[in-house]
Amino acid sequence: DSGVTQTPKHLITATGQRVTLRCSPRSGDLSVYWYQQSLDQGLQFLIQYYNGEERAKGNILERFSAQQFPDLHSELNLSSLELGDSALYFCASSVGLAAYNEQFFGPGTRLTVL
Amino acid sequence: AQKITQTQPGMFVQEKEAVTLDCTYDTSDPSYGLFWYKQPSSGEMIFLIYQGSYDQQNATEGRYSLNFQKARKSANLVISASQLGDSAMYFCAMRGMETSYDKVIFGPGTSLSVIP
Repeated sequence: DSGVTQTPKHLITATGQRVTLRCSPRSGDLSVYWYQQSLDQGLQFLIQYYNGEERAKGNILERFSAQQFPDLHSELNLSSLELGDSALYFCASSVGLAAYNEQFFGPGTRLTVL
Repeated sequence: AQKITQTQPGMFVQEKEAVTLDCTYDTSDPSYGLFWYKQPSSGEMIFLIYQGSYDQQNATEGRYSLNFQKARKSANLVISASQLGDSAMYFCAMRGMETSYDKVIFGPGTSLSVIP
């Protein structure tokens, strides 16, 4: 158990819908990362927050947005869902910003868009 | 642009033998970090080992060691004394520290199967 929690574990929805994925980082970790893992794209870095502020953006679509709240939990919002958004979405946390700060991954949320 | 290449889609190793998983990378960032992660069939991502581009020594963590050859831009993972529980997907990842700060990219992964 990494100490990172993600809810829900599974999510099935229809095209055009909007969903919210939630992540609680490990106690004491200030940095949260979101990743998408799909069969065709592999693992893709989406976005990073540090202590409530957006820190880095990767291959995140405009239909997707995220935020980190004062209690450090984070939410990833996916809207106007398409079939291709079906994937495993991981949240990871680390204590700081340094590259050598180990990232601890949550169990993931498996999103299926029908 | 940054890129990670893992040329071995699948590997087999006999239990108790050592195995090397290849990773080559490309970056223009003068400073970066390299990581290896393990993803068992259950799906979770497990951090294994980290190597900084300016680290003088190769990183080691228990049965895992990283064969870092900066001039060749390679960061191969060596697993010694393979165990059945090592069967999993293994991902090499890189994170820039300067020009590509905080951007993390992953390779396509290598599937390792440990044979009893």
